[in-house]
Amino acid sequence: SYVLTQPSSVSVAPGKTASIPCGGDNIGRKSVHWYRQKPGQAPELVIYFDSERPSGIPERFSGSNSGNTATLTISRVEAGDEADYFCQVWDSSSNHHVFGFGTKVTVL
Amino acid sequence: EVQLLESGGGLVQAGGSLRLSCSVSGPTPYEMVWVRQAPGKGLEWLSYISRSDNIIHYADSVKGRFSVSRDDAKNSLYLQMNGLRAEDTAVYYCAIRADYGAFDPWGQGTQVTVSS
Repeated sequence: SYVLTQPSSVSVAPGKTASIPCGGDNIGRKSVHWYRQKPGQAPELVIYFDSERPSGIPERFSGSNSGNTATLTISRVEAGDEADYFCQVWDSSSNHHVFGFGTKVTVL
Repeated sequence: EVQLLESGGGLVQAGGSLRLSCSVSGPTPYEMVWVRQAPGKGLEWLSYISRSDNIIHYADSVKGRFSVSRDDAKNSLYLQMNGLRAEDTAVYYCAIRADYGAFDPWGQGTQVTVSS
């Protein structure tokens, strides 16, 4: 089955840039979606189709996808960005949707 | 804006059954999914159902035990869970699978606890 790997945690100072990688075999050939989940809340879509932002998501959130790694980038990090972030793809070979293990972003 | 509301969670003994419901605020011409999250763990996709109900997929972990269905007349999605195990303890979410493949929006989740 298809596996997506993410670092368990990323720490970043306020105002700096956080980069969250999501690794998978030839993931650049798939559409990657990213979700943010704050404690006690349901997940929320922040990036779809690798780099598109839903309405209401700040421009500080961006995404890229190439080769074996997709990346969610959060610029000018704020305290309110502290959350768990998950990448997700659809694996056409199995017809399964797959989530990454998740990355906890901590704002120092 | 479409809103989703899950219900039907609770405490059940191992081997028992539960039926979760997901009420959609408005017509349900959507592809839909169920996702769960065990305590302190990540997200796990469970099932997908197409608009016309003719395509259904399950994760290997629940195939043969869980069954997804929909009733568009009631704007509702269901998850019948049989043969529950302790490892099925989780918050269960329903979500719409948008045309671009992402899950948006999500419901607030319903807790399922399986006692062994």
